[in-house]
Amino acid sequence: QKEVEQNSGPLSVPEGAIASLNCTYSDRGSQSFFWYRQYSGKSPELIMSIYSNGDKEDGRFTAQLNKASQYVSLLIRDSQPSDSATYLCAVNSLEYGNKLVFGAGTILRVKS
Amino acid sequence: EADIYQTPRYLVIGTGKKITLECSQTMGHDKMYWYQQDPGMELHLIHYSYGVNSTEKGDLSSESTVSRIRTEHFPLTLESARPSHTSQYLCASSEYGSTLFTGELFFGEGSRLTVL
Repeated sequence: QKEVEQNSGPLSVPEGAIASLNCTYSDRGSQSFFWYRQYSGKSPELIMSIYSNGDKEDGRFTAQLNKASQYVSLLIRDSQPSDSATYLCAVNSLEYGNKLVFGAGTILRVKS
Repeated sequence: EADIYQTPRYLVIGTGKKITLECSQTMGHDKMYWYQQDPGMELHLIHYSYGVNSTEKGDLSSESTVSRIRTEHFPLTLESARPSHTSQYLCASSEYGSTLFTGELFFGEGSRLTVL
């Protein structure tokens, strides 16, 4: 079982819709959770971090964390074509010496 | 915008050659990392450093080596390149945080290596 699992996609949504990206992780001791966005041919950049159960909102982005279910998600409201990218879930894994473990990413395509 | 730089951006080289991928950051970060990324695959940590004269191997076995003589500089070297080394190499840095919080990673633009 992979440490961090994501559906590879592509996830296609129409412009203006809500995009929902999901991630599960295996290390129950994980404390910190991150979403990175990676445009094609570019490097990842951090867009959201979350540390406690519940929702965290930042503009059009909402991160949701459920530690009991070992599940973290990212919602993008009013999706724009510029949101088309690969979204990487990253988890701070105590099993791996407190280092970040990345999922393979979900490709999001927003159609105008 | 993050101030972390990688050179070269693209490199095509023959088997058996020695290569060094350069990475420099001007943010004064203690922690620096090298990741390897293949298309559609996870980022894999191959080396990291928590400060000058500190280097550790990551989770993915790699034939490369690193050094950290200065805070701002974290080069990666392959003594004898092989086609299996063909990949994208990403350098990153972060501020030194608590042991339970790795913090935000700032990535360089990447070095795409092709070994023929």
